[in-house]
Amino acid sequence: GQNIDQPTEMTATEGAIVQINCTYQTSGFNGLFWYQQHAGEAPTFLSYNVLDGLEEKGRFSSFLSRSKGYSYLLLKELQMKDSASYLCAVRGVNAGNNRKLIWGLGTSLAVNP
Amino acid sequence: DTEVTQTPKHLVMGMTNKKSLKCEQHMGHRAMYWYKQKAKKPPELMFVYSYEKLSINESVPSRFSPECPNSSLLNLHLHALQPEDSALYLCASSPTDGQGGYTEAFFGQGTRLTVV
Repeated sequence: GQNIDQPTEMTATEGAIVQINCTYQTSGFNGLFWYQQHAGEAPTFLSYNVLDGLEEKGRFSSFLSRSKGYSYLLLKELQMKDSASYLCAVRGVNAGNNRKLIWGLGTSLAVNP
Repeated sequence: DTEVTQTPKHLVMGMTNKKSLKCEQHMGHRAMYWYKQKAKKPPELMFVYSYEKLSINESVPSRFSPECPNSSLLNLHLHALQPEDSALYLCASSPTDGQGGYTEAFFGQGTRLTVV
């Protein structure tokens, strides 16, 4: 089967660093995505990893280990506006699902003052 | 222009009504998608169009009918919906990589649909 696991909820303090983990088991792998979604709004693209290692983009970084089926999203210098749901999604490699993302259930992050 | 525009933003319809959701992008993306999202759940893929042809239908009931009139437009025609169809309907587009895949999806702001 195909499965993506991420924590349901996390809480952090403004100015701190938080790491949101994602583990996956999918039939094939051709990239992992992180999206941010505020309540009532559409998901917005944060990062894409297809090779092992760390991708840094401003306050946000994403890490991938394909051998471990593991990724994390690191958010630094947290701001109140970072309170949102963070969705991990994996793209399969087979022709049948190459156009389809497999989504995790999302991690709801609350940033407190 | 890096936007996917959806109209209307909100829609309330009765179970006997016929309505349409519209989606437009001018980024030259040749893959477009309809997703359905319930509260506190991830987006659920409904349809994928690639080069204006329907390539994926995720066993969606026929009361939802997609249409892709051209490479910039995507419609979702609704007829005889049920209250459980109330959800946020998201349109997305992405550039294709020439091998049937894509790199990222740009989402529209969605249409909040309520069926009464």
